Amino acid sequence: TQLLEQSPQFLSIQEGENLTVYCNSSSVFSSLQWYRQEPGEGPVLLVTVVTGGEVKKLKRLTFQFGDARKDSSLHITAAQPGDTGLYLCAGRYSGAGSYQLTFGKGTKLSVIP
Amino acid sequence: ETGVTQTPRHLVMGMTNKKSLKCEQHLGHNAMYWYKQSAKKPLELMFVYSLEERVENNSVPSRFSPECPNSSHLFLHLHTLQPEDSALYLCASSRGWGDEQFFGPGTRLTVL
Repeated sequence: TQLLEQSPQFLSIQEGENLTVYCNSSSVFSSLQWYRQEPGEGPVLLVTVVTGGEVKKLKRLTFQFGDARKDSSLHITAAQPGDTGLYLCAGRYSGAGSYQLTFGKGTKLSVIP
Repeated sequence: ETGVTQTPRHLVMGMTNKKSLKCEQHLGHNAMYWYKQSAKKPLELMFVYSLEERVENNSVPSRFSPECPNSSHLFLHLHTLQPEDSALYLCASSRGWGDEQFFGPGTRLTVL
């Protein structure tokens, strides 16, 4: 069973602070996605990364894919209350015979005004 | 109406009841998915339909029975559920199996 570990599990910060959350696996991903899920809603895709070392930016969010394609990070600059939510990473593993996404348990972020 | 919709949004049922969850997508996609989201566990893929044929069935108990009558609609029929089946059930769709998935808001199911 392939596991995808996310850390931290919970994070509570003040508005304006920076933060980084992590997603790690012992296996190589063919691609990795980050989602944000707000209470009472389904996950919404933020970004997909496919190339080792790739960095993508989405306004104040910076996503990085590890060189070995086994890990990823999400950095948020100057967090806002609207960033509050559950951040999920999900990966497709190299060599898998399926297009299935394996999800992590998520990081629950609270940004306090 | 656009996107992926799910009904009902909340459902409380007894262990002997029979109920169905409905998902509808207005995106012209060909693949649809059922996921289970429980507290303290990762999202679990239950079923995948591509062009109305089931392509994935991840060892889901037979008390969950999916149905995909056409590419826009997906159902999950529930019968004799257990309290541990209480969870958020999410539907998603994508252009094809393996493409970007768009999720519905989910049905919050409580089994008493």
